[in-house]
Amino acid sequence: GAGVSQSPSNKVTEKGKDVELRCDPISGHTALYWYRQSLGQGLEFLIYFQGNSAPDKSGLPSDRFSAERTGGSVSTLTIQRTQQEDSAVYLCASSYMGHPNTEAFFGQGTRLTVV
Amino acid sequence: DAKTTQPNSMESNEEEPVHLPCNHSTISGTDYIHWYRQLPSQGPEYVIHGLTSNVNNRMASLAIAEDRKSSTLILHRATLRDAAVYYCILRDGAGGTSYGKLTFGQGTILTVHP
Repeated sequence: GAGVSQSPSNKVTEKGKDVELRCDPISGHTALYWYRQSLGQGLEFLIYFQGNSAPDKSGLPSDRFSAERTGGSVSTLTIQRTQQEDSAVYLCASSYMGHPNTEAFFGQGTRLTVV
Repeated sequence: DAKTTQPNSMESNEEEPVHLPCNHSTISGTDYIHWYRQLPSQGPEYVIHGLTSNVNNRMASLAIAEDRKSSTLILHRATLRDAAVYYCILRDGAGGTSYGKLTFGQGTILTVHP
C-alpha cells in the first residue's frame, strides 16, 4: 500500500481479555515504531524494530505488552489481560532503515477502549 | 535521549507567518532536528527536518541556529488547516539502541484565527 496501515481502526474489549493490534509498514521500510497516545496526551514510545529484531523495548509499560515482527514487514502488538488504563490510541510508524536523515510515516492508529 | 523545549501554545491569524521555536541545548553533533505535526484525530505527519543548514520545503522552512541549540519552524502563511500540535524532535544518528528513534515531547498547540 501507499502508506502505513493499521488494523483494526477501533477496538472495544472487555477488561481481562487479550487484544492484538496490527501494523503494515510501507514496503521496504526496515524500521518500525509503536507509540501509545492517551486522551489529550503526547506520544509515548513503546518499542522499535529494525528488521525483525527489537533493539529498544524500553517503553513497554509492563510484561502484559509484547510485540513481534515477522518477515521484516507486518508487526503485531499484543496486550494481555487488558486493563482500563490501556485505553488509548496505538500508533505505528515506519521509516527507511531508521536513518535519522529520513522521514517517518505514521498510520492513523488503533483506538483501543477497554470496558 | 536529548530533550527539546517548546512553548505549550501559540496563536496566529490566518495568512500571517508563524514562527514556532524549539530549544535543544543538549543536542549532539549527530542529532537531526525533525518537526512533525498532528492534526485532530489523526496520526502525526512529517513537516521538515535538518542537520545544520536551513531547509525549505513546500510545507515550511526550518531555521537552525549556528550553534544548533535552537531551531524555528516557519509557516509562511498560516491557514486554518495548519491548526495542530507541532512537535520538535531530535532524532539520534549516533548508532546504538536509540538510533533513529523519535521521542515526542508535549509539543506546541497552534491555534489559527480566521
